Amino acid sequence: ILNVEQSPQSLHVQEGDSTNFTCSFPSSNFYALHWYRWETAKSPEALFVMTLNGDEKKKGRISATLNTKEGYSYLYIKGSQPEDSATYLCAFIESEYGNKLVFGAGTILRVKS
Amino acid sequence: GAGVSQSPRYKVAKRGQDVALRCDPISGHVSLFWYQQALGQGPEFLTYFQNEAQLDKSGLPSDRFFAERPEGSVSTLKIQRTQQEDSAVYLCASSLPGTSGDNEQFFGPGTRLTVL
Repeated sequence: ILNVEQSPQSLHVQEGDSTNFTCSFPSSNFYALHWYRWETAKSPEALFVMTLNGDEKKKGRISATLNTKEGYSYLYIKGSQPEDSATYLCAFIESEYGNKLVFGAGTILRVKS
Repeated sequence: GAGVSQSPRYKVAKRGQDVALRCDPISGHVSLFWYQQALGQGPEFLTYFQNEAQLDKSGLPSDRFFAERPEGSVSTLKIQRTQQEDSAVYLCASSLPGTSGDNEQFFGPGTRLTVL
């Protein structure tokens, strides 16, 4: 059974704070890791798809790193804004021929203005 | 352009009632996925279609759950004789063909099912 874990479960920060979350996944049979942002009453939105060990991706104030050998990924948000409030989900794909995303339980971020 | 749409957005059913949840994927997307998210958990895979073929249904929790995509576009997830444990958000996602593992999956807003 594949186990994807995310920490912390929830996070409350002040506007302007920088923050980061962790996603842990099995290091064997790794193919890809996806990060999604899910705002209440909206569709989950893809942030990053990462496949290479050491990969770093950035979109605006959000960036992510990937370590496939030790089985973790970090998501960073610089200068958090209230509109960053959402649930951040990571999802693992086991092999090149795998399709189904195996999700963690998510990190709920609340940014106070 | 239009994203993935799902209907209804909210459904309340009495225990024992049958329900049908609809997903309209992005036009041209070959792959279609259904996921179930119970309260406090991450989404869990239910089933996967490539065009009209259901290639993986390993995540369907019981034989009360049935999914179809007869013409390779719109999909319906049907739950018969609903139980309280079926209460969840049901998410649909679609993606382009190709090497699926690194293809982005585009999600709909989900259908929140509450079984009383």
